[in-house]
Amino acid sequence: GQQVMQIPQYQHVQEGEDFTTYCNSSTTLSNIQWYKQRPGGHPVFLIQLVKSGEVKKQKRLTFQFGEAKKNSSLHITATQTTDVGTYFCAGDYNTDKLIFGTGTRLQVFP
Amino acid sequence: KAGVTQTPRYLIKTRGQQVTLSCSPISGHRSVSWYQQTPGQGLQFLFEYFSETQRNKGNFPGRFSGRQFSNSRSEMNVSTLELGDSALYLCASSLWTGTLNEQYFGPGTRLTVT
Repeated sequence: GQQVMQIPQYQHVQEGEDFTTYCNSSTTLSNIQWYKQRPGGHPVFLIQLVKSGEVKKQKRLTFQFGEAKKNSSLHITATQTTDVGTYFCAGDYNTDKLIFGTGTRLQVFP
Repeated sequence: KAGVTQTPRYLIKTRGQQVTLSCSPISGHRSVSWYQQTPGQGLQFLFEYFSETQRNKGNFPGRFSGRQFSNSRSEMNVSTLELGDSALYLCASSLWTGTLNEQYFGPGTRLTVT
């Protein structure tokens, strides 16, 4: 069935270090979305990628969608303590529902 | 624009009881999805409603049901509660126009079953 795998599960970094989380799907995605959930909060939409090979940037965050539309990554440059939270990818297979990855919990030490 | 609201925010129930959770989407959003979030299982899709019709359902038992009203407000019902139903239940609304389907999540209802 449709499944989105996300790694790593946890990542602890020193403030200023970079961070990357990866999502992989066994089948081709229509599009992929990324969400951030702060501790005690709810998921908040970050971005949606639709085109093969697409790269989008939001300040220190860089999002990529693979050429085959089966994988995606989120890279944060020079992490800050405000980046703490769980980052989820969510795959859309054109089935009117999103399949969320298991999430990567990011902890940033000052 | 007001965000997605969910009521109640917290709920404690005992095994065997039933519970109804409510979600009011962002004005103009016709799609409402429900998710169950637990530490071990992450975000699991329950079902999605669009214009009062259930378009999709996740892999949950029939004890979990939902509906959507003509004003797009949605309710979710869980009957015969089990301890494993303890979770954060999140509702999300979306415009769902073709490829644009970003989800706007509500604060969730924290359900504890004892």
